[in-house]
Amino acid sequence: DIQMTQSPSAMSASVGDRVTITCRASQGISNYLAWFQQKPGKVPKRLIYASSSLQSGVPSRFSGSGSGTEFTLTISSLQPEDFATYYCLQHNSYPPTFGQGTKVEIK
Amino acid sequence: EVQLVQSGAEVKKPGESLKISCKGSGYSFTSYWIGWVRQMPGKGLEWMGIIYPGDSDTRYSPSFQGQVTISADKSISTAYLQWSSLKASDTAMYYCVMVRGDILTGYPDPWGQGTLVTVSS
Repeated sequence: DIQMTQSPSAMSASVGDRVTITCRASQGISNYLAWFQQKPGKVPKRLIYASSSLQSGVPSRFSGSGSGTEFTLTISSLQPEDFATYYCLQHNSYPPTFGQGTKVEIK
Repeated sequence: EVQLVQSGAEVKKPGESLKISCKGSGYSFTSYWIGWVRQMPGKGLEWMGIIYPGDSDTRYSPSFQGQVTISADKSISTAYLQWSSLKASDTAMYYCVMVRGDILTGYPDPWGQGTLVTVSS
């Protein structure tokens, strides 16, 4: 299975901060990488697909980049509603595998 | 609108059996893979396995092989996840997902609302 190493596992940030989360794949996955946001008690919500494509309805402050083995999710200006846990998911080969998650907390 | 509606929360004792369900609507149920994802309390997301309702082709992630059974009844557009003997460590939220695309490169979308399974004596 492809291992996804996500970092950091947790972070504290303030409203307005620029936030970057990284996922590294144990082998090349082209651009088969999605990012999800999960709030407590809620279903994961897809933010980014194909590494850098923004899901319809997702604010433009979210962006994704990368290809191969290194990927990043960036929130350009953190908003109160963005405090949540973020997961990357590779779907280049079966089984799909998630990163371990990054919890973004209020500083 | 594509929807996956899961069965309600369950509270079971260790050793009991359980079958939870996921009903698809708004699309051709037999044409898309359905997957199951586990989330243990306070933990991350884990892919359990996948089934193609059209022919019941089923694959399991290694960690879940032999631990659960995935099945589907295409006549009622419903997929299932079942345990023959629950353990306390099966306590988790379970999500079903529709897989867009093929088994190798498909991605999960949409997700069911989740079924909380609690196993406690």
